[in-house]
Amino acid sequence: GQQLNQSPQSMFIQEGEDVSMNCTSSSIFNTWLWYKQDPGEGPVLLIALYKAGELTSNGRLTAQFGITRKDSFLNISASIPSDVGIYFCAGQNYTGANSKLTFGKGITLSVRP
Amino acid sequence: NAGVTQTPKFRVLKTGQSMTLLCAQDMNHEYMYWYRQDPGMGLRLIHYSVGEGTTAKGEVPDGYNVSRLKKQNFLLGLESAAPSQTSVYFCASTRQAVSYGYTFGSGTRLTVV
Repeated sequence: GQQLNQSPQSMFIQEGEDVSMNCTSSSIFNTWLWYKQDPGEGPVLLIALYKAGELTSNGRLTAQFGITRKDSFLNISASIPSDVGIYFCAGQNYTGANSKLTFGKGITLSVRP
Repeated sequence: NAGVTQTPKFRVLKTGQSMTLLCAQDMNHEYMYWYRQDPGMGLRLIHYSVGEGTTAKGEVPDGYNVSRLKKQNFLLGLESAAPSQTSVYFCASTRQAVSYGYTFGSGTRLTVV
């Protein structure tokens, strides 16, 4: 089946630093999504990407849909303590009603004040 | 607008007991999903539904059953709980299969002792 690779499993950064996360796949996707999960909550959608090469920003977050359609990255600039959480990438290759998102295993981000 | 509501939020079961987790959405979404989240494993799909009255198996369906008798509700049942089913369970929904992102509930933390 399709798999998304996110590594490392954990990242530790200093407040104010930028951080970049990558997500790669062995399969092509036509939709890439990035989610954030706060402790004790469900994942919340941050950014959605629908076109190869697309670059989209949401405040301090920027995400790109890779040209090969097999990867995506998320950048967080000027990190703050509330950026702590688990960041998931997800991809979909729509083929019909049973098409589903494939999720990466997530990266746990810690921000040191 | 409540979004996706999961009940209960916490539950402790003894091995062999049964229970039902309820997911309710008020967004008129067609598609609904049940995931489990375990440390280091990411989100794994248990069962899903592409519309009222339909259900289908996901990646890890064994030991679980589901029903979608009403469009707004998706029930996840454990007939005979096992310690391996200790996990955090998330329900999600979306309007259509071409994904603009799933909306997740806040989760149910289940412990089987």
